[in-house]
Amino acid sequence: LAKTTQPISMDSYEGQEVNITCSHNNIATNDYITWYQQFPSQGPRFIIQGYKTKVTNEVASLFIPADRKSSTLSLPRVSLSDTAVYYCLVGNNDMRFGAGTRLTVKP
Amino acid sequence: ETGVTQTPRHLVMGMTNKKSLKCEQHLGHNAMYWYKQSAKKPLELMFVYNFKEQTENNSVPSRFSPECPNSSHLFLHLHTLQPEDSALYLCASSQGATVQETQYFGPGTRLLVL
Repeated sequence: LAKTTQPISMDSYEGQEVNITCSHNNIATNDYITWYQQFPSQGPRFIIQGYKTKVTNEVASLFIPADRKSSTLSLPRVSLSDTAVYYCLVGNNDMRFGAGTRLTVKP
Repeated sequence: ETGVTQTPRHLVMGMTNKKSLKCEQHLGHNAMYWYKQSAKKPLELMFVYNFKEQTENNSVPSRFSPECPNSSHLFLHLHTLQPEDSALYLCASSQGATVQETQYFGPGTRLLVL
Protein backbone atom coordinates (compact mmCIF):
# COMPACT_ATOMS: atom_id res chain seq x y z
CA LEU A 1 0.00 0.00 0.00
CA ALA A 2 1.47 3.33 -1.04
CA LYS A 3 1.88 5.72 1.87
CA THR A 4 1.45 9.39 1.07
CA THR A 5 3.08 12.45 2.55
CA GLN A 6 1.70 15.96 2.13
CA PRO A 7 2.42 19.27 3.83
CA ILE A 8 0.11 19.76 6.79
CA SER A 9 -0.80 23.30 5.86
CA MET A 10 -0.25 26.00 3.27
CA ASP A 11 -1.20 29.66 3.03
CA SER A 12 -1.86 31.60 -0.14
CA TYR A 13 -3.46 34.81 -1.35
CA GLU A 14 -6.33 35.32 -3.71
CA GLY A 15 -5.37 35.19 -7.35
CA GLN A 16 -2.22 33.15 -6.81
CA GLU A 17 -1.48 29.71 -8.19
CA VAL A 18 -1.17 27.06 -5.49
CA ASN A 19 0.79 23.87 -5.89
CA ILE A 20 0.40 21.06 -3.36
CA THR A 21 2.81 18.18 -3.65
CA CYS A 22 2.18 14.65 -2.46
CA SER A 23 5.00 12.14 -2.07
CA HIS A 24 4.26 8.47 -2.68
CA ASN A 25 7.59 6.67 -3.01
CA ASN A 26 6.10 3.19 -2.86
CA ILE A 27 3.50 3.66 -5.57
CA ALA A 28 2.69 0.43 -7.38
CA THR A 29 2.47 -0.05 -11.12
CA ASN A 30 -1.32 -0.15 -11.23
CA ASP A 31 -1.95 2.60 -8.65
CA TYR A 32 -3.84 5.74 -9.58
CA ILE A 33 -3.43 9.12 -7.88
CA THR A 34 -6.62 10.84 -6.77
CA TRP A 35 -7.17 14.20 -5.11
CA TYR A 36 -10.17 15.25 -3.04
CA GLN A 37 -11.22 18.56 -1.51
CA GLN A 38 -13.06 18.88 1.79
CA PHE A 39 -14.79 21.93 3.23
CA PRO A 40 -15.60 22.05 6.97
CA SER A 41 -18.52 19.86 8.01
CA GLN A 42 -18.90 18.41 4.52
CA GLY A 43 -17.82 15.21 2.84
CA PRO A 44 -14.80 15.24 0.53
CA ARG A 45 -15.36 16.01 -3.13
CA PHE A 46 -13.41 14.52 -6.02
CA ILE A 47 -11.14 17.01 -7.79
CA ILE A 48 -8.92 15.13 -10.20
CA GLN A 49 -7.30 11.80 -10.91
CA GLY A 50 -4.31 10.74 -12.95
CA TYR A 51 -1.93 7.92 -13.70
CA LYS A 52 1.00 9.64 -15.40
CA THR A 53 2.12 12.91 -17.04
CA LYS A 54 -0.45 15.69 -16.81
CA VAL A 55 -4.20 15.82 -16.36
CA THR A 56 -6.26 18.99 -16.48
CA ASN A 57 -9.91 19.69 -15.84
CA GLU A 58 -11.98 22.78 -15.18
CA VAL A 59 -10.90 22.89 -11.55
CA ALA A 60 -7.25 21.89 -11.37
CA SER A 61 -4.24 20.30 -13.00
CA LEU A 62 -2.34 17.27 -11.82
CA PHE A 63 1.33 16.86 -12.68
CA ILE A 64 2.93 13.44 -12.33
CA PRO A 65 6.64 12.96 -13.12
CA ALA A 66 7.89 9.96 -15.00
CA ASP A 67 8.92 8.04 -11.87
CA ARG A 68 5.42 8.65 -10.36
CA LYS A 69 6.90 8.93 -6.87
CA SER A 70 5.20 12.25 -6.34
CA SER A 71 2.38 14.30 -7.76
CA THR A 72 1.47 17.97 -7.67
CA LEU A 73 -2.03 19.38 -7.55
CA SER A 74 -2.11 22.82 -9.12
CA LEU A 75 -4.96 25.24 -8.41
CA PRO A 76 -4.87 28.26 -10.70
CA ARG A 77 -5.84 31.70 -9.36
CA VAL A 78 -7.26 30.59 -6.03
CA SER A 79 -10.10 32.42 -4.33
CA LEU A 80 -11.23 32.55 -0.71
CA SER A 81 -13.66 29.71 -1.44
CA ASP A 82 -10.74 27.38 -2.18
CA THR A 83 -9.89 27.34 1.52
CA ALA A 84 -10.24 23.66 2.35
CA VAL A 85 -8.37 20.47 3.14
CA TYR A 86 -6.90 18.67 0.13
CA TYR A 87 -6.26 14.95 0.23
CA CYS A 88 -4.03 12.84 -1.97
CA LEU A 89 -4.97 9.16 -2.28
CA VAL A 90 -2.78 6.61 -3.95
CA GLY A 91 -3.45 2.95 -4.35
CA ASN A 92 -5.79 0.38 -5.67
CA ASN A 93 -7.75 -0.95 -2.72
CA ASP A 94 -6.84 1.31 0.19
CA MET A 95 -9.54 3.93 0.82
CA ARG A 96 -7.78 5.53 3.76
CA PHE A 97 -7.50 9.30 3.67
CA GLY A 98 -4.39 10.80 5.25
CA ALA A 99 -4.25 14.05 7.19
CA GLY A 100 -4.39 16.10 4.01
CA THR A 101 -3.14 19.63 3.42
CA ARG A 102 -5.07 22.49 4.97
CA LEU A 103 -5.01 25.35 2.46
CA THR A 104 -5.91 28.80 3.70
CA VAL A 105 -6.48 31.48 1.08
CA LYS A 106 -6.20 35.02 2.38
CA PRO A 107 -7.58 38.21 0.84
CA GLU B 1 -26.15 17.29 -4.49
CA THR B 2 -23.91 14.27 -4.88
CA GLY B 3 -26.60 11.62 -5.19
CA VAL B 4 -25.86 10.33 -1.70
CA THR B 5 -28.27 11.24 1.08
CA GLN B 6 -27.89 10.75 4.80
CA THR B 7 -30.42 10.97 7.60
CA PRO B 8 -30.60 12.38 10.13
CA ARG B 9 -28.29 15.33 9.56
CA HIS B 10 -27.93 15.92 13.29
CA LEU B 11 -28.36 13.53 16.19
CA VAL B 12 -28.01 13.89 19.94
CA MET B 13 -28.14 10.72 21.97
CA GLY B 14 -27.42 9.49 25.44
CA MET B 15 -24.98 6.71 26.14
CA THR B 16 -27.78 4.21 26.76
CA ASN B 17 -29.75 5.01 23.62
CA LYS B 18 -29.99 3.00 20.43
CA LYS B 19 -30.16 4.87 17.15
CA SER B 20 -29.49 4.25 13.48
CA LEU B 21 -27.92 6.33 10.75
CA LYS B 22 -29.20 5.86 7.23
CA CYS B 23 -27.45 6.35 3.91
CA GLU B 24 -28.97 6.01 0.47
CA GLN B 25 -27.29 6.39 -2.90
CA HIS B 26 -29.11 7.03 -6.16
CA LEU B 27 -26.09 6.49 -8.41
CA GLY B 28 -26.32 2.79 -9.14
CA HIS B 29 -23.03 2.15 -7.36
CA ASN B 30 -21.95 -1.19 -5.95
CA ALA B 31 -19.69 -0.08 -3.10
CA MET B 32 -20.62 1.88 0.01
CA TYR B 33 -18.55 3.16 2.90
CA TRP B 34 -18.83 4.56 6.40
CA TYR B 35 -16.26 7.10 7.60
CA LYS B 36 -15.87 8.85 10.93
CA GLN B 37 -14.39 12.31 11.26
CA SER B 38 -13.72 13.69 14.71
CA ALA B 39 -13.00 17.36 15.22
CA LYS B 40 -9.77 18.48 13.56
CA LYS B 41 -8.84 14.89 12.72
CA PRO B 42 -8.47 13.01 9.44
CA LEU B 43 -11.19 10.85 8.03
CA GLU B 44 -11.23 7.36 9.49
CA LEU B 45 -12.50 4.56 7.29
CA MET B 46 -14.85 2.35 9.32
CA PHE B 47 -16.54 -0.12 6.99
CA VAL B 48 -16.59 -1.02 3.30
CA TYR B 49 -19.35 -2.91 1.54
CA ASN B 50 -19.08 -4.19 -2.01
CA PHE B 51 -22.14 -5.80 -3.61
CA LYS B 52 -23.77 -5.87 -0.15
CA GLU B 53 -20.91 -7.85 1.36
CA GLN B 54 -18.69 -6.33 4.03
CA THR B 55 -15.15 -6.32 2.72
CA GLU B 56 -13.47 -4.19 5.35
CA ASN B 57 -13.89 -3.51 9.05
CA ASN B 58 -11.14 -1.32 10.44
CA SER B 59 -11.19 -2.56 14.02
CA VAL B 60 -14.36 -0.67 14.76
CA PRO B 61 -15.87 -1.28 18.24
CA SER B 62 -18.90 -3.54 18.28
CA ARG B 63 -21.11 -0.69 19.53
CA PHE B 64 -21.14 0.32 15.85
CA SER B 65 -23.02 -2.23 13.76
CA PRO B 66 -23.34 -1.74 9.99
CA GLU B 67 -26.05 -3.18 7.80
CA CYS B 68 -26.26 -3.21 4.02
CA PRO B 69 -29.57 -4.70 2.86
CA ASN B 70 -28.93 -3.83 -0.78
CA SER B 71 -26.44 -1.88 -2.87
CA SER B 72 -28.39 1.36 -2.47
CA HIS B 73 -28.80 1.46 1.29
CA LEU B 74 -26.39 1.41 4.18
CA PHE B 75 -27.16 1.71 7.86
CA LEU B 76 -25.03 2.25 10.92
CA HIS B 77 -26.70 1.02 14.10
CA LEU B 78 -25.47 2.69 17.26
CA HIS B 79 -25.80 1.43 20.83
CA THR B 80 -24.18 2.26 24.15
CA LEU B 81 -21.95 4.87 22.58
CA GLN B 82 -19.35 6.89 24.44
CA PRO B 83 -18.86 10.67 24.39
CA GLU B 84 -15.67 10.19 22.34
CA ASP B 85 -17.84 8.76 19.57
CA SER B 86 -19.19 12.24 18.93
CA ALA B 87 -18.15 13.07 15.38
CA LEU B 88 -19.26 13.64 11.82
CA TYR B 89 -20.25 10.32 10.23
CA LEU B 90 -19.93 10.29 6.48
CA CYS B 91 -21.29 7.81 4.00
CA ALA B 92 -19.86 7.43 0.52
CA SER B 93 -20.43 5.29 -2.52
CA SER B 94 -18.48 4.37 -5.64
CA GLN B 95 -18.97 2.18 -8.66
CA GLY B 96 -16.39 -0.30 -7.44
CA ALA B 97 -14.40 -0.65 -4.24
CA THR B 98 -11.08 0.60 -5.59
CA VAL B 99 -9.29 3.93 -5.15
CA GLN B 100 -9.54 4.81 -8.82
CA GLU B 101 -13.31 4.77 -8.57
CA THR B 102 -14.49 8.21 -7.52
CA GLN B 103 -16.19 8.24 -4.14
CA TYR B 104 -19.29 10.37 -3.76
CA PHE B 105 -19.92 11.52 -0.22
CA GLY B 106 -23.14 12.36 1.53
CA PRO B 107 -23.54 15.48 3.68
CA GLY B 108 -22.87 13.55 6.87
CA THR B 109 -24.59 13.08 10.21
CA ARG B 110 -23.30 15.22 13.04
CA LEU B 111 -23.53 13.02 16.14
CA LEU B 112 -23.27 14.22 19.72
CA VAL B 113 -23.16 11.64 22.50
CA LEU B 114 -23.98 12.96 25.94
